Amino acid sequence: GAVVSQHPSWVICKSGTSVKIECRSLDFQATTMFWYRQFPKQSLMLMATSNEGSKATYEQGVEKDKFLINHASLTLSTLTVTSAHPEDSSFYICSASSRFRYNEQFFGPGTRLTVL
Amino acid sequence: LAKTTQPISMDSYEGQEVNITCSHNNIATNDYITWYQQFPSQGPRFIIQGYKTKVTNEVASLFIPADRKSSTLSLPRVSLSDTAVYYCLVGEGNTDKLIFGTGTRLQVFP
Repeated sequence: GAVVSQHPSWVICKSGTSVKIECRSLDFQATTMFWYRQFPKQSLMLMATSNEGSKATYEQGVEKDKFLINHASLTLSTLTVTSAHPEDSSFYICSASSRFRYNEQFFGPGTRLTVL
Repeated sequence: LAKTTQPISMDSYEGQEVNITCSHNNIATNDYITWYQQFPSQGPRFIIQGYKTKVTNEVASLFIPADRKSSTLSLPRVSLSDTAVYYCLVGEGNTDKLIFGTGTRLQVFP
């Protein structure tokens, strides 16, 4: 149980375009979802935390107008990278937790974004 | 802001026990310590979680001293497939945010 999926697994786009990444909890209700970014050979850096039905809380230094997060249902959160630039190329990973297992985060497989 | 630190890398041979320590001086009082394994271009995979003393499951043990300012992940009899990066994840006392450690790259040799 506790499976989290992400789509797409990888995406290549041109500079200036917007990219949407989906994160789904397949077999549980995710009251909280987290979005991380990971650059090569670095640790995961938390970008934002979102609770279902409310606005996301962004970490310091993360532009909320550039990284739009929507958590419209208990099983789906989306991250939209608007006007992507090469420096946004990274590995984006989501995780989810439920109110019943709030000490555990279940991670998605990640999305590799490459901006040309 | 205190970082959650780990050794950058460790080498081992198949069949040996590996112990990876995470230093988290500013851990939140009520938060658990969780360890993850990550392979290249994949999301982190849960290994073990604990709050204090010792926890053991089918793949690892986790040792947490009384002050909880560090924790040690113990992998018994590693194999080549254990070559990966290992991260601890702890709640930070000042901010109550969950912060990943710096990660330890484990290389297992035959």
